[in-house]
Amino acid sequence: QKEVEQDPGPLSVPEGAIVSLNCTYSNSAFQYFMWYRQYSRKGPELLMYTYSSGNKEDGRFTAQVDKSSKYISLFIRDSQPSDSATYLCAMMRGGADGLTFGKGTHLIIQP
Amino acid sequence: DGGITQSPKYLFRKEGQNVTLSCEQNLNHDAMYWYRQDPGQGLRLIYYSQIVNDFQKGDIAEGYSVSREKKESFPLTVTSAQKNPTAFYLCASSMTSGSIGDTQYFGPGTRLTVL
Repeated sequence: QKEVEQDPGPLSVPEGAIVSLNCTYSNSAFQYFMWYRQYSRKGPELLMYTYSSGNKEDGRFTAQVDKSSKYISLFIRDSQPSDSATYLCAMMRGGADGLTFGKGTHLIIQP
Repeated sequence: DGGITQSPKYLFRKEGQNVTLSCEQNLNHDAMYWYRQDPGQGLRLIYYSQIVNDFQKGDIAEGYSVSREKKESFPLTVTSAQKNPTAFYLCASSMTSGSIGDTQYFGPGTRLTVL
């Protein structure tokens, strides 16, 4: 079993829809959770960062963490074609370990 | 402009050759990281460094080497011992590794192709 599982998609939705992206993890030592957006052939861009169970909202984006279920989500409201990208979940234990990533979900927003 | 720069953007190498990828940051970050990304895969940690003159192996360090002689710079050498070096290489940095609020920011990446 991989430490972080993420459905690679592709996930295709119409413009304006609410998008739900998810990751599950197996290591209960993970304490910090991030979502990155990556456009083709570019470096990942940090979208959201959370370290406690619950919801965190930033504009059209909401990150949700459920540590008891080892499950994290990213919701995108009012999705736009410019949101079409690969979304990577990442997590870390803290200390100096670096990040452990999911494979990324390829999201397509249809105009 | 503050940020992380990686050079070159594209790099071609013949089998059996060593090659060095550059990573520079002017964010005054203490920690720097190297990741590798293969098609359809997430990023995997190669090496990381918390302070100058110190670095640790990540999950896939075999066939790679690094140095950290300056706070701003963390070059990665892909040696001939790396069996499958063709990949997209990403450098990242963070203020100090592991503290709350510490997030990693990525450079634009170097795409290495072995011919």
